[in-house]
Amino acid sequence: NAGVMQNPRHLVRRRGQEARLRCSPMKGHSHVYWYRQLPEEGLKFMVYLQKENIIDESGMPKERFSAEFPKEGPSILRIQQVVRGDSAAYFCASSPPQPWWASGVVFFGPGTRLTVL
Amino acid sequence: KQEVTQIPAALSVPEGENLVLNCSFTDSAIYNLQWFRQDPGKGLTSLLLIQSSQREQTSGRLNASLDKSSGRSTLYIAASQPGDSATYLCAVTTGNQFYFGTGTSLTVIP
Repeated sequence: NAGVMQNPRHLVRRRGQEARLRCSPMKGHSHVYWYRQLPEEGLKFMVYLQKENIIDESGMPKERFSAEFPKEGPSILRIQQVVRGDSAAYFCASSPPQPWWASGVVFFGPGTRLTVL
Repeated sequence: KQEVTQIPAALSVPEGENLVLNCSFTDSAIYNLQWFRQDPGKGLTSLLLIQSSQREQTSGRLNASLDKSSGRSTLYIAASQPGDSATYLCAVTTGNQFYFGTGTSLTVIP
């Protein structure tokens, strides 16, 4: 089992471009979580998804950000018209067919470091 | 809203010392608390999970305690080693998400 995979590991975008971050959960995991870590700040929850469903997106900015976890393929976090304040490390985590808080079992990916010029 | 604070923000100790990392949270109605380790350029690794009904958990040289009523947890590391150098994060959950502290950056000097 290769673990949670995220790509790209580093992404550079100019202001106004789109950023697409991909997350492949561990095999057999059906719950995906996205967190953002801004410089000098803690990890902040963004969104919790199960296959084809957004369960909780209370941490997502209302505009420009969207996430999906299709039936086939990786989970995608999409940021449209990026601004410098979007520069951060974006982490994806996955858990087996039980939510993370119920089992405590969660695995994090290595993160995607987004830099907006 | 849940706020999680970790003290100290950074800690440097000589190899072999025992040390304590602190975590406090504002809302005591938590389901569980989890300690993670974060190495530079890498994701988080879960160290210990304490359910809300438990008071402590142990794994090897690590011992985590939980006092839910006072909103506090400690992570005790015995006989520290240079390989323990990392950032340690605590996280609490009250529902659909975990709330993370800003972490304690630990350096163990050989």
